[in-house]
Amino acid sequence: SAVISQKPSRDICQRGTSLTIQCQVDSQVTMMFWYRQQPGQSLTLIATANQGSEATYESGFVIDKFPISRPNLTFSTLTVSNMSPEDSSIYLCSAADVYHEQFFGPGTRLTVL
Amino acid sequence: AQSVAQPEDQVNVAEGNPLTVKCTYSVSGNPYLFWYVQYPNRGLQFLLKYITGDNLVKGSYGFEAEFNKSQTSFHLKKPSALVSDSALYFCAVRDRSGGYQKVTFGTGTKLQVIP
Repeated sequence: SAVISQKPSRDICQRGTSLTIQCQVDSQVTMMFWYRQQPGQSLTLIATANQGSEATYESGFVIDKFPISRPNLTFSTLTVSNMSPEDSSIYLCSAADVYHEQFFGPGTRLTVL
Repeated sequence: AQSVAQPEDQVNVAEGNPLTVKCTYSVSGNPYLFWYVQYPNRGLQFLLKYITGDNLVKGSYGFEAEFNKSQTSFHLKKPSALVSDSALYFCAVRDRSGGYQKVTFGTGTKLQVIP
């Protein structure tokens, strides 16, 4: 199984600023993903982070708002840009190999004031 | 399109009693099925998966799940519940055909084990 770490674990930010969340996997993985989750609710997929190319975004999510990088097979970042209180959520990084289950990081709890 | 239904928002069970958390799914092809658990303020932890083979799958912490193709169900079970099992449980499905397909998660079921 893959062990995934995320930084920061939580942050409180001001409206209009940006936050970059880092995700590090302890082994090379094929797929990496970013999800958003309201506490106690289900997961919403933001995008698939593609190594060496642009991320694949889900409906309702755009690159200008959520730019994603994936420079190699073990690391990815998600930036939440021009934040508003509606962006307050838990952001989860996930990783998987093609035919295996996904593993999740501990999450980043973001509060936007 | 694929989907997952967890019909119960919350399940309450007494400690020591058997527990069942229900999940039904819909995929166009054959499914990969997963269960995850989430403790408060933590990420999701993988419990078990069905890929192929035996319909009864055993996983972590004494949990098991039974794949029923005719009923398109994948219910999570444990013979004797512990208070420490109290958490949020997610069922997930992925279509096995055509390369990597996105995973669809259910809405989650909160399990409350009463001492």
